[in-house]
Amino acid sequence: QSALTQPASVSGSPGQSITISCTGTSNDIGKYDHVSWYQQHPGKAPKVMIYEVSKWPSGVSNRFSGSKSGNTASLTISGLQAEDEADYYCCSYVSNNWVFGGGTKLTVL
Amino acid sequence: EEQLVQSGGGLVQPGGSLRLSCAASGFIFTTYSLNWVRQAPGKGLEWVSYIRDTSTVWYADSVKGRFTISRDNAKNSLYLQMNSLRAEDTAVYYCARDSAYGFDIWGQGTMVTVSS
Repeated sequence: QSALTQPASVSGSPGQSITISCTGTSNDIGKYDHVSWYQQHPGKAPKVMIYEVSKWPSGVSNRFSGSKSGNTASLTISGLQAEDEADYYCCSYVSNNWVFGGGTKLTVL
Repeated sequence: EEQLVQSGGGLVQPGGSLRLSCAASGFIFTTYSLNWVRQAPGKGLEWVSYIRDTSTVWYADSVKGRFTISRDNAKNSLYLQMNSLRAEDTAVYYCARDSAYGFDIWGQGTMVTVSS
């Protein structure tokens, strides 16, 4: 159950777009479409932003989009806003387990 | 309003036990699977355990044999019994609803500190 690999940090200016990658293996991301992304502000519980690789839960802005290629999933945030500054985690199903990425801190400059 | 409200947690000595609870309201409890996820201080999220029904439970290797997940559908409640606690189990523990939309409802989190 090795954690999925994410960059420790990314940054961008308001209005720009950024992409966070999440690399797994052929046993998790490469095998299943059960990939989700979570936003977590300091001291708060996580919030689901994307599920099943690229779907939006009700109430989540379409500035957030997800994709997958091979063993790597990606979260793209377009039109960056100050309130997007948070930690982001990917998560994948893997054979009777769930595994999270190490997390990426997004800084809005 | 659909929500999960957690209770339990606190300070426990190494080797000790603790039970966490998670009470659900606002949705049909029996139709959902549930998870426990933890976050050590300053660290990332770590999945701990999953339950669909009494015969379908999963555990992370790090807690297998020490933690037991259970649910009481009559009380709309989820539990995590934690035994043989170690310092590395120190974390905020979250319960989370597992739906077709990912982990879509989370509890407020409860701190567990394992220290002598």
